[in-house]
Amino acid sequence: DAMVIQNPRYQVTQFGKPVTLSCSQTLNHNVMYWYQQKSSQAPKLLFHYYDKDFNNEADTPDNFQSRRPNTSFCFLDIRSPGLGDAAMYLCATSRVGTGPRTQHFGDGTRLSIL
Amino acid sequence: DQQVKQNSPSLSVQEGRISILNCDYTNSMFDYFLWYKKYPAEGPTFLISISSIKDKNEDGRFTVFLNKSAKHLSLHIVPSQPGDSAVYFCAAEMAGNSGGSNYKLTFGKGTLLTVNP
Repeated sequence: DAMVIQNPRYQVTQFGKPVTLSCSQTLNHNVMYWYQQKSSQAPKLLFHYYDKDFNNEADTPDNFQSRRPNTSFCFLDIRSPGLGDAAMYLCATSRVGTGPRTQHFGDGTRLSIL
Repeated sequence: DQQVKQNSPSLSVQEGRISILNCDYTNSMFDYFLWYKKYPAEGPTFLISISSIKDKNEDGRFTVFLNKSAKHLSLHIVPSQPGDSAVYFCAAEMAGNSGGSNYKLTFGKGTLLTVNP
């Protein structure tokens, strides 16, 4: 089945230690998104890639970076995680231009900061 | 400032009855609305959507109603089943600034639906 896969499902890192979360997709979608969701809050868009074009949200901290080396993969890098960065991180994809305007989500990575 | 609001954090209904989940929005530029369902330890899954040119969309047991003048939409589930117990997110979308190529979702905080057998 075509899908969006996030690895790892759970990630524990130390305060200030860089961490990378990964997302892959077999849907061949041209847009990939990264969301941050904290408990009982709405998922918050951090940034997205439209093909190779990176689009950062205005209020996304500089501490958060992203890479998309090819159509299938997208990475979220947190350069110096703080306690406030503990959250669920969701990756999503969509095909913009034709067809339904829906985003397909992975199961998320739960990030904990020690 | 929240542009998409789900004012009921939780809702409990009996199996077989109707579940009505509500959502309000403030940005009149939103032109497409979606409902997602999320089970614990899973990502949100798309449920149903509606374009701003419509006022109703139905898919099996799920119907979404849109009232543009009130900036309000609702999701009706009839009949409700225990397997419907999940968090339901309302989301809104508008074409981005780059020639419509950057579709972005704005989510509400979600409503936890519990359907009791």
